[in-house]
Amino acid sequence: EVVLTQSPGTLSLSPGERATLSCRASQNIVTYLAWYQQRPGQAPRLLIYGTSTRATGITDRFSGSGSGREFTLTISTLEPEDLGVYYCQQYGSSPWTFGQGTKVEIK
Amino acid sequence: EVQLVQSGGEMRKPGESVKISCKGSGYTFSNYWIGWVRQTPRKGLEWMGVIYPGDSDTRYNPSFQGQVTISADESITTAFLEWKSLKTSDTALYYCARILVATGKTFDYWGQGTLLTVSS
Repeated sequence: EVVLTQSPGTLSLSPGERATLSCRASQNIVTYLAWYQQRPGQAPRLLIYGTSTRATGITDRFSGSGSGREFTLTISTLEPEDLGVYYCQQYGSSPWTFGQGTKVEIK
Repeated sequence: EVQLVQSGGEMRKPGESVKISCKGSGYTFSNYWIGWVRQTPRKGLEWMGVIYPGDSDTRYNPSFQGQVTISADESITTAFLEWKSLKTSDTALYYCARILVATGKTFDYWGQGTLLTVSS
């Protein structure tokens, strides 16, 4: 099974700053990677799929990049509502797996 | 508006059975795969399996195969997740989620979650 390792564990930034979240896969998953945001007390929400395609209704402040084993989610200018835990999910190989999450805190 | 509404929290003892549900609305239920995802503090998010309500084709994560049963009833646009003999380790928050057509393997709409507590 593909193991996804996310870093950092926690990111604490001020509004307006740029956030860079990483996801590393234990094997090549081409571009079969998605990102989700989970706000406190809510279900996850799909942000990005296919490494870089934004899901319906997702602001262009969120962007994804990468291929193979290394992937990045960038939030260009942080807003207070961006707080939460961000998960990557790979679907290049079954079983589909998730990373352990990066918590984004707003200072 | 697409909605997935899950049944309420459940409390059971080890060895008991339970079936939780996920009712879809706002789209053609039969035409979209629905999956189940487990969330625990220790293991995070885990994909359990998916079902295509149109023909009940079901796929399981090997880690959950034989431990749970996923089913669906098109007539009431509802998917189910069932355990025959619960363990304390089944205590978790369970989400149902619809599969995005573009990828066939990511989740575009999620239910609100069902908390299952298994304790003696």
